[in-house]
Amino acid sequence: GQNIDQPTEMTATEGAIVQINCTYQTSGFNGLFWYQQHAGEAPTFLSYNVLDGLEEKGRFSSFLSRSKGYSYLLLKELQMKDSASYLCAVKNSNYQLIWGAGTKLIIKP
Amino acid sequence: IAGITQAPTSQILAAGRRMTLRCTQDMRHNAMYWYRQDLGLGLRLIHYSNTAGTTGKGEVPDGYSVSRANTDDFPLTLASAVPSQTSVYFCASSVGGDTDTQYFGPGTRLTVL
Repeated sequence: GQNIDQPTEMTATEGAIVQINCTYQTSGFNGLFWYQQHAGEAPTFLSYNVLDGLEEKGRFSSFLSRSKGYSYLLLKELQMKDSASYLCAVKNSNYQLIWGAGTKLIIKP
Repeated sequence: IAGITQAPTSQILAAGRRMTLRCTQDMRHNAMYWYRQDLGLGLRLIHYSNTAGTTGKGEVPDGYSVSRANTDDFPLTLASAVPSQTSVYFCASSVGGDTDTQYFGPGTRLTVL
């Protein structure tokens, strides 16, 4: 079967750095996406990786290792507004997105 | 409008009733999708459409139907609602192509009693 695993919940402190991991087993691979979802709202796109390595976008970075079936999202200089769920999704060989259940990130002052 | 709109925002429905969730996008995206999101589970694809006039089944299509008469609209119909269809429903769209990004509407919270 196809599976995306990520931690259910994480807690971090304002101003700190947090790394959210995602491991995947899918039928084929055509890219990995990270989305942010605030409570009661729609998911919004954060990043996309298709090649191994690190993609940096301001305070957010995303890393991919295709051989390990692994990605992480790194959030720096955490702000209270970063409290949200972070969803990892992989596009499989049928070009359909397979989604993880999401990681709820709680930021404490 | 700009982006994707969904209607209604929320709905309480009696089991056995028919319901259509509406989705409209003004970005001229080719592809559109319907997902359901349940607590503790990832988003699950119900149906999709790669272009106007075509539709396909996703991971959990049973009990749902869709149509794509034009580029902008992609309604989702529950022919006879059951309590297990209680969920938050998201419509999404993308330009189309193999690795493009999906953009989501605000969602419809549906409760079937």
